[in-house]
Amino acid sequence: GESVGLHLPTLSVQEGDNSIINCAYSNSASDYFIWYKQESGKGPQFIIDIRSNMDKRQGQRVTVLLNKTVKHLSLQIAATQPGDSAVYFCAEGGENTGNQFYFGTGTSLTVIP
Amino acid sequence: EPEVTQTPSHQVTQMGQEVILRCVPISNHLYFYWYRQILGQKVEFLVSFYNNEISEKSEIFDDQFSVERPDGSNFTLKIRSTKLEDSAMYFCASSDSAQNEQFFGPGTRLTVL
Repeated sequence: GESVGLHLPTLSVQEGDNSIINCAYSNSASDYFIWYKQESGKGPQFIIDIRSNMDKRQGQRVTVLLNKTVKHLSLQIAATQPGDSAVYFCAEGGENTGNQFYFGTGTSLTVIP
Repeated sequence: EPEVTQTPSHQVTQMGQEVILRCVPISNHLYFYWYRQILGQKVEFLVSFYNNEISEKSEIFDDQFSVERPDGSNFTLKIRSTKLEDSAMYFCASSDSAQNEQFFGPGTRLTVL
């Protein structure tokens, strides 16, 4: 079956530094990828997405990189702020996976003031 | 800003009892989903629903589970006879397209005693 995994379960960064969160996925048929942020006691919140016809997409302070060759996804957060502290999940899915989204285990990001 | 809402926020039930978790998706969305997240674990897909029928379901979604859209606004998940291992956060999500971002509700915490 599909598996989506994150390389690091926890990440601590100093406020103002850049953060990089990585994700590996196993289903080469996945064509849509999303990064979600989940704060304690809340539901996943969309951050940024990318489709398989792209290798990079930028948002406000966030960038997602997709490397289809090695089935790797990363989320870069620029100038990390205390409010960025949360668990970050990658999810893979799309039309080729029956429109199911498979979530990774999550990386807990802690921003040190 | 439109959002997905869920009630109740916390449901406590005895093992063997039936529970109904309720969701109000975003009004112009046509695709609806239920996910669950056992404490400390990843978000797991349960079921997707479109055009008044289930479009996809996971292995978790066995005969004890059912979904319904009883009217034009609500989307419910019923667990017929709860088990201890059903204790989890249950998230509802909706999207305007099967290939687009899913918006998540705040979740219902189900505790089975």
